[in-house]
Amino acid sequence: ETGVTQTPRHLVMGMTNKKSLKCEQHLGHNAMYWYKQSAKKPLELMFVYSLEERVENNSVPSRFSPECPNSSHLFLHLHTLQPEDSALYLCASSRGTSDLDEQFFGPGTRLTVL
Amino acid sequence: SQKIEQNSEALNIQEGKTATLTCNYTNYSPAYLQWYRQDPGRGPVFLLLIRENEKEKRKERLKVTFDTTLKQSLFHITASQPADSATYLCAGGYQKVTFGTGTKLQVIP
Repeated sequence: ETGVTQTPRHLVMGMTNKKSLKCEQHLGHNAMYWYKQSAKKPLELMFVYSLEERVENNSVPSRFSPECPNSSHLFLHLHTLQPEDSALYLCASSRGTSDLDEQFFGPGTRLTVL
Repeated sequence: SQKIEQNSEALNIQEGKTATLTCNYTNYSPAYLQWYRQDPGRGPVFLLLIRENEKEKRKERLKVTFDTTLKQSLFHITASQPADSATYLCAGGYQKVTFGTGTKLQVIP
């Protein structure tokens, strides 16, 4: 395994629900990322955290709210999602935020919004 | 906007042959290209990075090239095996990393 875990692995939610995705890394890395992967589309970077501070937010709708309480944990809080938000949500970590740093990905959470 | 294109959605190849996957970039000049492998139900796994000043890089049965004239990277798997079947993602980096949509490789026994 890569040292990055994600829970839950699968999530089905209605548009009015509130849920959270959790990511934990056991690699001692300082940077963590959220990506969205939709079918036949490139991986889309959503958020970047470095040492618990958000350093990048790629025009993500406010219905997605990240939280990074410490350098090992990352959450993505979801509320009033739309069906088009259904996708695989991937968490990754790296030593730093240099774009040359190798990223280690978790297995993802498969999200379905009904 | 920066774009990474992997034009082949899928590629089937006979076991033992060399698989060649193509990655083209447009509207920018990445300082490096990365290749990842992704299996169903799993996140991408980093394989190789090649910088713009490197023509070729090898790792075991894998070889990657970077042609700045053609704006293209080729990813080769020699002596391919069924276990190599997966989706391979190309990513180009310059200030930020841009991913392609991937090529699904099927190695047929």
